[in-house]
Amino acid sequence: NAGVTQTPKFQVLKTGQSMTLQCAQDMNHNSMYWYRQDPGMGLRLIYYSASEGTTDKGEVPNGYNVSRLNKREFSLRLESAAPSQTSVYFCASSDGYTDTQYFGPGTRLTVL
Amino acid sequence: AQSVSQHNHHVILSEAASLELGCNYSYGGTVNLFWYVQYPGQHLQLLLKYFSGDPLVKGIKGFEAEFIKSKFSFNLRKPSVQWSDTAEYFCAVSRSSGNTPLVFGKGTRLSVIA
Repeated sequence: NAGVTQTPKFQVLKTGQSMTLQCAQDMNHNSMYWYRQDPGMGLRLIYYSASEGTTDKGEVPNGYNVSRLNKREFSLRLESAAPSQTSVYFCASSDGYTDTQYFGPGTRLTVL
Repeated sequence: AQSVSQHNHHVILSEAASLELGCNYSYGGTVNLFWYVQYPGQHLQLLLKYFSGDPLVKGIKGFEAEFIKSKFSFNLRKPSVQWSDTAEYFCAVSRSSGNTPLVFGKGTRLSVIA
């Protein structure tokens, strides 16, 4: 099993550009999450989806949108990128019963 | 709102030294507790977790953690660290109602020197 996969691994954007980060899991998990990781800040939850068809805001949702396309896939969209969104983005999934989360390899995003 | 505090931002130890990383959380109800590790350039991996039962939990690579409910703490320990333990360590907590997001601490960077 691949676990949680994310694409792309690296991305450089100019301010104002848009992009979508893709995440997929093959563990048949109900819940999926998007975090951003910044130095000294730990991981902060952007959005999560407790089940297919539902999404909820996390701690830092401003400037982002998400789509739970199906049970496997959960995408994160930046409509108009800003330098403050330069970060490493991690997707995670869990079975929804034990809260144990499994993480993808991350996307390193730089916004110039 | 829940919060998680990790007391040490950066810890530097010599090989074979003992390790204890502090973690406190601020939620009065029943919780699930986790420690994750992030090796340089890699994603987060689960070290160990506590849901219920024996408050002393053993994880991978010789790590263990003790849940002390009265102190709202879940400290991570290892009797003898190795150079390969150099990484960032994150404590996380969720309310044990299931299907709830984790709240992470800000992390502790461990550097093990020869």
